[in-house]
Amino acid sequence: EDKVVQSPLSLVVHEGDTVTLNCSYEVTNFRSLLWYKQEKKAPTFLFMLTSSGIEKKSGRLSSILDKKELSSILNITATQTGDSAIYLCALFTRDDKIIFGKGTRLHILP
Amino acid sequence: NAGVTQTPKFQVLKTGQSMTLQCAQDMNHEYMSWYRQDPGMGLRLIHYSVGAGITDQGEVPNGYNVSRSTTEDFPLRLLSAAPSQTSVYFCASRQQGTYGYTFGSGTRLTVV
Repeated sequence: EDKVVQSPLSLVVHEGDTVTLNCSYEVTNFRSLLWYKQEKKAPTFLFMLTSSGIEKKSGRLSSILDKKELSSILNITATQTGDSAIYLCALFTRDDKIIFGKGTRLHILP
Repeated sequence: NAGVTQTPKFQVLKTGQSMTLQCAQDMNHEYMSWYRQDPGMGLRLIHYSVGAGITDQGEVPNGYNVSRSTTEDFPLRLLSAAPSQTSVYFCASRQQGTYGYTFGSGTRLTVV
């Protein structure tokens, strides 16, 4: 009964490629959807998305939430080896919990 | 400004032993949570707190206790450690009205 499902679970691409990571969820009544990047230690916050559908961008990373499809995508263009990490999607629920998916492990080959 | 401090960083326990994982934050954040991370499982919520004196269960609370007597501290207690509790534990905090958690650096716990 996973509430947050990420795909793919693992991805290997070459430097310079563009990748799209997916996050789908079952909960409809939530505050926001969050994306985190985890390298060797603790996750670091990337984006917060709401049902407004507004795209968020930060450099080569961008993300948007599709309210109809109950999903979100995280795009990374012109990937670099430093983008290698686990990318975590999470839902911030109405009862103040943050529930994470299992993550996508991204590996960028030089 | 230390952020979220977790101690210890590494711990090995024998089955049946008890211990407390410490978590302290100096940002005056109301919300604090404990997660465990296992390979291929992402982060799973153990317990969380929305303020001093208030705690609630997350997705995987069994075998763990918490208390929140002050805003700064949110210790996680393992009363009788089991090998299934071998994991990396993260404490996180955030301010009310914000969405981005600040995570501690984690505690790697091994139960043998």
